[in-house]
Amino acid sequence: AIQLTQSPSSLSASVGDRVTIACRATQDISGALVWYQQKPGKAPKLLIYDASNLETGVPSRFSGSGSGTHFNITISSLQPEDFATYYCQQFYSSPLTFGGGTKVEIK
Amino acid sequence: QVQLQESGPGLVKPSETLSLTCSVSGASISSYYWSWIRQPPGKGLEWIGYMYHIGTPNYNPSLRSRITISVDTSKNQFSLRLSSVTAADTAVYYCARISLEYGHYYYYMDVWGKGTTVTVSS
Repeated sequence: AIQLTQSPSSLSASVGDRVTIACRATQDISGALVWYQQKPGKAPKLLIYDASNLETGVPSRFSGSGSGTHFNITISSLQPEDFATYYCQQFYSSPLTFGGGTKVEIK
Repeated sequence: QVQLQESGPGLVKPSETLSLTCSVSGASISSYYWSWIRQPPGKGLEWIGYMYHIGTPNYNPSLRSRITISVDTSKNQFSLRLSSVTAADTAVYYCARISLEYGHYYYYMDVWGKGTTVTVSS
């Protein structure tokens, strides 16, 4: 199975900060990666698909980049509603796998 | 819009079978793949499996011997059965829709249910 490693596992940031979260795959997955946002007690929400495409309705301060084994999600200017846990997921091959998550907390 | 709602017992005894149903509204269950995902308390997400309304389901090898996913087109629902449960199966269970774009299925989840908490305890 393809393993995804996210870094950092948690971070503290302030409103307005630029934040980048990394996701590394154990093998080449081309662009078959998505990012989800999960708030406490809620289901994950799809933010970015195919590594860099913004899901409809997601603010443009979110962006995704990368291909192969290295991927990032960037929040250009952190807003109060962005404090959450972020997960990457690969769909290149079965079994579908998720990264361990990155918790973004308020500094 | 598309909505998914999980239902089933919140408490299951060890060694018994966990059974959950996901009711789909706003979309035909025959048009998409459907998936189950779970999240143990305080932990990350684990994909359980997915299936289409016909054909062979695709299960996570780590759970394959214990899970059955089925689709009921007459009720626009799909279901999960997980046998021989232990405390390690305690989790929030989510049902979700697999993305369909331009006639192709991409195996990530674009619509999720709110989740249902299942506790395994005697």
